[in-house]
Amino acid sequence: DTAVSQTPKYLVTQMGNDKSIKCEQNLGHDTMYWYKQDSKKFLKIMFSYNNKELIINETVPNRFSPKSPDKAHLNLHINSLELGDSAVYFCASSMAGLYRGYTFGSGTRLTVV
Amino acid sequence: GENVEQHPSTLSVQEGDSAVIKCTYSDSASNYFPWYKQELGKRPQLIIDIRSNVGEKKDQRIAVTLNKTAKHFSLHITETQPEDSAVYFCAPREGGADGLTFGKGTHLIIQP
Repeated sequence: DTAVSQTPKYLVTQMGNDKSIKCEQNLGHDTMYWYKQDSKKFLKIMFSYNNKELIINETVPNRFSPKSPDKAHLNLHINSLELGDSAVYFCASSMAGLYRGYTFGSGTRLTVV
Repeated sequence: GENVEQHPSTLSVQEGDSAVIKCTYSDSASNYFPWYKQELGKRPQLIIDIRSNVGEKKDQRIAVTLNKTAKHFSLHITETQPEDSAVYFCAPREGGADGLTFGKGTHLIIQP
């Protein structure tokens, strides 16, 4: 029954590995996002997808690639993980163009060792 | 892009007192003003929002006020309770735009 679900909740991996985080929403929203929250709690947008189109790509390294098989899913793939990638990654969804807030997933805590 | 500042970064109040957090923004086209609450280890959740055609909105113990001329809006929490302890984020935006720019957050501590 969860509106926005992310898996896994925790991810511990070694430097240099490749990993993916999955996100699914059942709210019928047409836009999904990935946010990174660092140790200081700053929330920064990484990507958004609207109808399978990437419409925002802030200055994120190209080691990060979002993949959206359909408008209910937005996965995040990360290549060659680095220590600085350690953070909590939140998926979120919304209806574009309307005055509504975002619904966030529960987050994935990524630790690179 | 939107430049967002929140003050204070940390706020400690006695239980039962009021708390006010201010958010200043730069984009005069912003017309949607939400506040999010993030409890420790949890996801950010929308708690209240306001549009630019409204000066104030209240929902039980929380309220948001907007001063569009001065480009700031504030979150007011009255009769604070321990469960109000959290980090609060503002995220003003132009309604049709995508991608919220969050403030850096205010850590609200409720002292018993």
